Amino acid sequence: SQQGEEDPQALSIQEGENATMNCSYKTSINNLQWYRQNSGRGLVHLILIRSNEREKHSGRLRVTLDTSKKSSSLLITASRAADTASYFCAQKLVFGQGTRLTINP
Amino acid sequence: EAGVAQSPRYKIIEKRQSVAFWCNPISGHATLYWYQQILGQGPKLLIQFQNNGVVDDSQLPKDRFSAERLKGVDSTLKIQPAKLEDSAVYLCASSYDRAVLGNSPLHFGNGTRLTVT
Repeated sequence: SQQGEEDPQALSIQEGENATMNCSYKTSINNLQWYRQNSGRGLVHLILIRSNEREKHSGRLRVTLDTSKKSSSLLITASRAADTASYFCAQKLVFGQGTRLTINP
Repeated sequence: EAGVAQSPRYKIIEKRQSVAFWCNPISGHATLYWYQQILGQGPKLLIQFQNNGVVDDSQLPKDRFSAERLKGVDSTLKIQPAKLEDSAVYLCASSYDRAVLGNSPLHFGNGTRLTVT
């Protein structure tokens, strides 16, 4: 069964807006990872956040982790058309169902 | 560095036939994974190798699926006989160390899209 569950399942926004995706998990973690998957391609690693970290940044990406609520969020700021993809959280090699993000020009 | 290579890119077979997928991981990566991704879902781990030994194959349907990693480098995943529900993308990934410890990200190939008719 999937341990991570993303919310929402699908998100459509205008270019330039910010996109926020959430992930909830069930068991204790060492870390949590976020991946992106473009249509017809493999997954690409974005960010790894460790259990003792609360926030991490990488370019336009910001990931937060709340271990008390067993949840994480991925924020993409100033979205671009190229950000259109599915985004997955993963912990202990188990992936969620993903959020399908569409950026409209 | 060269990425994870997979072949073929696409495969269409009839049910009850057999099929094999090949994966060449990133050089130096000790751990190799096969995932199954059904359309609209997240990847599901089938099997994990550390060098040429199996670490976890608890979700591999062993009555029809088999995998090997000879010499701890390339790997093949086989399905025999295939069922309609095996239609999916089969993704191979590799990591520098045992990612179950959470120390290394996974590097994925582009997958093999299997259609069983």
